[in-house]
Order: sequence, then structure tokens, then C-alpha cells
Amino acid sequence: GAGVSQSPSNKVTEKGKDVELRCDPISGHTALYWYRQSLGQGLEFLIYFQGNSAPDKSGLPSDRFSAERTGGSVSTLTIQRTQQEDSAVYLCASSLVGTEEAFFGQGTRLTVV
Amino acid sequence: KQEVTQIPAALSVPEGENLVLNCSFTDSAIYNLQWFRQDPGKGLTSLLLIQSSQREQTSGRLNASLDKSSGRSTLYIAASQPGDSATYLCAVRRMDSSYKLIFGSGTRLLVRP
Repeated sequence: GAGVSQSPSNKVTEKGKDVELRCDPISGHTALYWYRQSLGQGLEFLIYFQGNSAPDKSGLPSDRFSAERTGGSVSTLTIQRTQQEDSAVYLCASSLVGTEEAFFGQGTRLTVV
Repeated sequence: KQEVTQIPAALSVPEGENLVLNCSFTDSAIYNLQWFRQDPGKGLTSLLLIQSSQREQTSGRLNASLDKSSGRSTLYIAASQPGDSATYLCAVRRMDSSYKLIFGSGTRLLVRP
């Protein structure tokens, strides 16, 4: 595709439910990142995937958060037992190793009610 | 620890003005610096990427400079237009973890017709 694609664009879920957010990076980009943007706050790094290397999960806020990247392409961010403080925009980006210019998707706006 | 600061937090100018947005970072050991634009409710659009060995990059009416030794970058917008209204974010990558973007809190720009 032409850009990074994220789905769904909006998600409203009840507190305690699990959610899955999907990211489809730019074709050929081996690096993939997840960030979170909470209302009125800056962007917070969550996790980074690069090829077949072990991901950097240092930004995941709790063990309710997990992410995987299958086949070096599509990534899924899963939040278990959602809490109201998980409400935010979740942004995915991809880049080519070497230039490291990050291209972001449109984000998934998650609202936990 | 790398910290990124953007000043001013908000800026309102009449159409046609030239303007400068500022970004400062505390650790000069950066891999590169990237400027983004974010429209309300949208993802991030990459504007300019400056590698650590470069001093500036230009794209149309935009010019970004980088002074690593002083820990500063500026984004110059010439002949501003109402369509330039958005939040502008700068982000740096550290040399020791070149994949992790560290964001400033952004400058919210309004260009009045």
C-alpha cells in the first residue's frame, strides 16, 4: 500500500474487555513502531519491531499490553482487560532501516467506557 | 536522558507571515531529527528529516535547520497559509537507540486568514 494502514480507526469498548489494534506497514519497511498519544500529552513509545530481532518492549505500560508482528509485516497490539486510562490514540509507524524516516498511520482512537 | 522541548506551545499569526518554530534537545548525540505535522484527529505526517551530519533540509516553503552542538533545530515556514494550521512536532533519535523517537510536546499553529 501507499502508506501505513491502521484499523479500526475508532474503537469504543467496555472496561474489562480485550481489544486488538491492527497495523499494516509500508511494503518493504522492516521496522515497525507503536506509540500512544493520550489527550493533552505527548507521544509515548510502546514497542519496536525490527526484522527477526527480539522486539523492544520497554515502553509497554503494563503486562496487559502485548504486541506481535507476524511474517515481518502486519502487527497487532492487544490490550487485555481494558481500563479507562487506556483511552488514547494508538499510532503505528514504519521505516526503512538506514534512513530511519518514520511514516505514521492515521491512528486508532480507543475509548474505554 | 534525552528531553525534547518545543517553544512556543502555541502560535497565532496572520496569513502571509514567515515564522519560526523552535525545538531543543538536551543530548547532542542524536542519530537524526524529524519534523512532523499533525492535524486534529489525524496521524502524523513527516515533513522533513535531518540526518546528524546535515545542517538543513528544505521542502517547498519549509526549511529545517539543525545545530547539534547547541541542541537546537528550527522549522522555518515561509509565506504562511491557513492550510498550515496544525500542530508541529519535532522528534529526535538517539545514537545509542536510533530507532526510538523522542518527541517534543509540539507547537500548535494557527494561521488566520
